[in-house]
Order: sequence, then C-alpha cells, then structure tokens
Amino acid sequence: ELKVEQNPLFLSMQEGKNYTIYCNYSTTSDRLYWYRQDPGKSLESLFVLLSNGAVKQEGRLMASLDTKARLSTLHITAAVHDLSATYFCAVQATGNQFYFGTGTSLTVIP
Amino acid sequence: NAGVTQTPKFQVLKTGQSMTLQCAQDMNHEYMSWYRQDPGMGLRLIHYSVGAGITDQGEVPNGYNVSRSTTEDFPLRLLSAAPSQTSVYFCASSYSVGYNEQFFGPGTRLTVL
Repeated sequence: ELKVEQNPLFLSMQEGKNYTIYCNYSTTSDRLYWYRQDPGKSLESLFVLLSNGAVKQEGRLMASLDTKARLSTLHITAAVHDLSATYFCAVQATGNQFYFGTGTSLTVIP
Repeated sequence: NAGVTQTPKFQVLKTGQSMTLQCAQDMNHEYMSWYRQDPGMGLRLIHYSVGAGITDQGEVPNGYNVSRSTTEDFPLRLLSAAPSQTSVYFCASSYSVGYNEQFFGPGTRLTVL
C-alpha cells in the first residue's frame, strides 16, 4: 500500500512570508497532483506533475516533483489571506488508484 | 456543463439501513471514483471505474457497492449502514486515468446513527 505523508499538517504564516509544504510518498510514481480545499467545500485541482523534475507555477504557488527522492513540494511565495485553505497532494500508484496525503491546513494571518 | 453532481447533499441514516449516493458527470469522462473524507485522514479511495461496465476496488471498499452502466453515472450503494461509515463522500471524474486531474463533486455528508 502506498503511503503519502504531508508536512506540516498545520501551518500558520504571516502575510508576505514564504513557506514550503512537503509531500513524501513511499513507492515509485511519476504522477503527482495537488488540490486545494476550502472549508466545507469540494476539492479543486491546482497542479498536475507527470515527470521527474516537473515544475508548475500559478500565481504565488509553485509545485515541483522529484521522483527519485519520492518528494513533491508546494512553495508559497509572499502569502496572502486568500491562500488560506487545506492543501492535499495525491499520488497515482501503479494502476488506477490514487492515494491522498492527510492534508496541510494553511492559515495566512494579516 | 454541470460538471460532477452529487445527490443528496446531506443524509442521516439509522444503522442497518441501505441507501444509494448518486453521482453524475456530463463531461464524457472515462474515469470515475468515490472517496470518503474523514478528519485527519485525507481522502481514501472506495471504488473506481475506468469505463462503463468496468469497476474495481480501492483502498476501503468494504460495505460499499458500485456499478457503472453508463459513462455518465456512477452510484455508490451502502448495503447496511454502520456508524463507521459516517463521513463526507466525494465523487470525482477525469477524462482518462493517468494524466489528468480529477474533478470533484460537491460532496455528500452522511451521518449514520
């Protein structure tokens, strides 16, 4: 069974600061996804990373994938309040199954 | 496009009752899946389908059945509800499995008493 670990689980940061969320997984995969979930809402796709070294950026968020280290990062630059949400990484195992991390709850403080 | 729709939004069941959670998508997606979300545990895959007539088990399939008679619909059946099945259930779909992000429905909050 594939294990996906995110850290930190909770993150409180000031507006304007930078931070990184880490996603480690336990088995070989080159397909990793990042999602955002606002409280009481559904999940929204942020990034699709499909190869070693893939880097995607959208606004203040940048995601990268290192398949050899089995690690993906979600970097937040100059955080703003609107980024407050829970962020999930999801790994696609061999076959058609997806495994999600437990999520990182981000709170951006003015 | 309505995207992925789920009904009902909320449901309360008594232990032992059965029910079906409905999921539909209008994007002609081949891959559909069901997840449950519990506090502190992220999302866990219950069942998935790679096309009409094809279903398979995910990480936590016990107590649930699915079928996929059409591309659009993927209902989830609870056979005999138990308090451990209290959760938020999300249906998701993607164009194909493997290289596409999943689009999630709004969720169904289920409480089993």
